[in-house]
Amino acid sequence: DTGVSQNPRHKITKRGQNVTFRCDPISEHNRLYWYRQTLGQGPEFLTYFQNEAQLEKSRLLSDRFSAERPKGSFSTLEIQRTEQGDSAMYLCASTRGSNQPQHFGDGTRLSIL
Amino acid sequence: AQSVTQLDSQVPVFEEAPVELRCNYSSSVSVYLFWYVQYPNQGLQLLLKYLSGSTLVESINGFEAEFNKSQTSFHLRKPSVHISDTAEYFCAVSDSGNFNKFYFGSGTKLNVKP
Repeated sequence: DTGVSQNPRHKITKRGQNVTFRCDPISEHNRLYWYRQTLGQGPEFLTYFQNEAQLEKSRLLSDRFSAERPKGSFSTLEIQRTEQGDSAMYLCASTRGSNQPQHFGDGTRLSIL
Repeated sequence: AQSVTQLDSQVPVFEEAPVELRCNYSSSVSVYLFWYVQYPNQGLQLLLKYLSGSTLVESINGFEAEFNKSQTSFHLRKPSVHISDTAEYFCAVSDSGNFNKFYFGSGTKLNVKP
């Protein structure tokens, strides 16, 4: 498999701007996850898709965050009106079902000026 | 809900010495346990996993971890470390009945010195 792909790798933007990240999971993986990792911490769960359905969202995912997976393949994570506290690494992972470990992409590092 | 505690934020060790990275979890249900490794500016790579069966699991590069249900622990060990093992290691847990999300510890930075 080609692995989980995330774009862009780095994003620098001014506070208040909107940003969108993309995740391409491993093909045939029906489950997709978004995590946020801040400096010195482990990844924190944001949201989960099974195929195109968003089945769970963390309370960390405020109204400014939205995620989609329209055709059950790639996913996008959008942050509107970015704030300083949004600076983090955003990780995407995929898996093909229960009892399978999650495979992670290299992440998108977001820096808010 | 599950939670994971990695008490050691940093572990310095000399090359060829043994190492143990500690992981404790709390959960009211049966769990699956994982160790991931993260190199700088990269995502997480699976090191090993415990789903069921033998409580001692091994990776291809010499790491092993033992699931201890009574102590709710899943410590990672290697008898002889290499410089290339320098990285951050994360312990993760998910519950066996709802394999939807992982709960990660805060990570342990392993620094192998020559």
